[in-house]
Amino acid sequence: GNSVTQMEGPVTLSEEAFLTINCTYTATGYPSLFWYVQYPGEGLQLLLKATKADDKGSNKGFEATYRKETTSFHLEKGSVQVSDSAVYFCALSDLDTGNQFYFGTGTSLTVIP
Amino acid sequence: GAVVSQHPSRVICKSGTSVKIECRSLDFQATTMFWYRQFPKQSLMLMATSNEGSKATYEQGVEKDKFLINHASLTLSTLTVTSAHPEDSSFYICSARPHGQGNRQPQHFGDGTRLSIL
Repeated sequence: GNSVTQMEGPVTLSEEAFLTINCTYTATGYPSLFWYVQYPGEGLQLLLKATKADDKGSNKGFEATYRKETTSFHLEKGSVQVSDSAVYFCALSDLDTGNQFYFGTGTSLTVIP
Repeated sequence: GAVVSQHPSRVICKSGTSVKIECRSLDFQATTMFWYRQFPKQSLMLMATSNEGSKATYEQGVEKDKFLINHASLTLSTLTVTSAHPEDSSFYICSARPHGQGNRQPQHFGDGTRLSIL
C-alpha cells in the first residue's frame, strides 16, 4: 500500500541554520510527491512538488528532490528564518489509487532568533 | 493559482446544534473534494471523499449519518455535522483538486474551520 513516513519533531533551530526534514514513502505505482506547510490556525499551503524521479521541487528557498532509488523526498533549506516556523507535511498521490492523498504525520519547526 | 474558500473559519455553538461548513473552489472545477479532520498537533485524517453528483465515500470509522456531505455542483461541497457534541470539536479542513488533472496536480486546501461545541 501507499504510505509516507516523516521525521518526527518537534524541530527547533536557530535563525540561519540549515534545515532538513526527512520523508520516505512507499507506493504501488508512480507517485507524485508534495510538501505542504501549515501555519498556526490555518489550512495547508502547497510548498513544492515533484512528479517524477529526479525532479527537484523548489519554492521560497526550500528544495526537495524526488529520489526513487531511496524512495525519499527530503525537505531542505539552507538558511531558515523565524517566519518559517510552521508544521510541514510530506504527501504523496498515486495514480493507481485515484485522487487520494497520503500524508505524513507532520513535523513542527520552530525557528528562534 | 487555484483557490479554495472554506467558510466559516470558526464556529462556537451549543451541544445538539447542527453545523454546516462550506467548501468552494473559486477559480477551478472540482469533481472531487476531500474533507479532513485534524486533532491538535496531529496530522490530517481523511474523513470522506465528496463526489459531485453522487454519494460521498466515507473512510472506515466515520459515521455518514453524523457527517453529512453534499457536493451539488463542481465548485461547492458542504459538510454538515449533525447534532454536534463536544467530542466533535476539532479543526475541519477541505481540499479540492482541479478536474481531470490526474495525480500530478496538488490538492488545494481551504483555511480550515475551527469547530468548538460547548
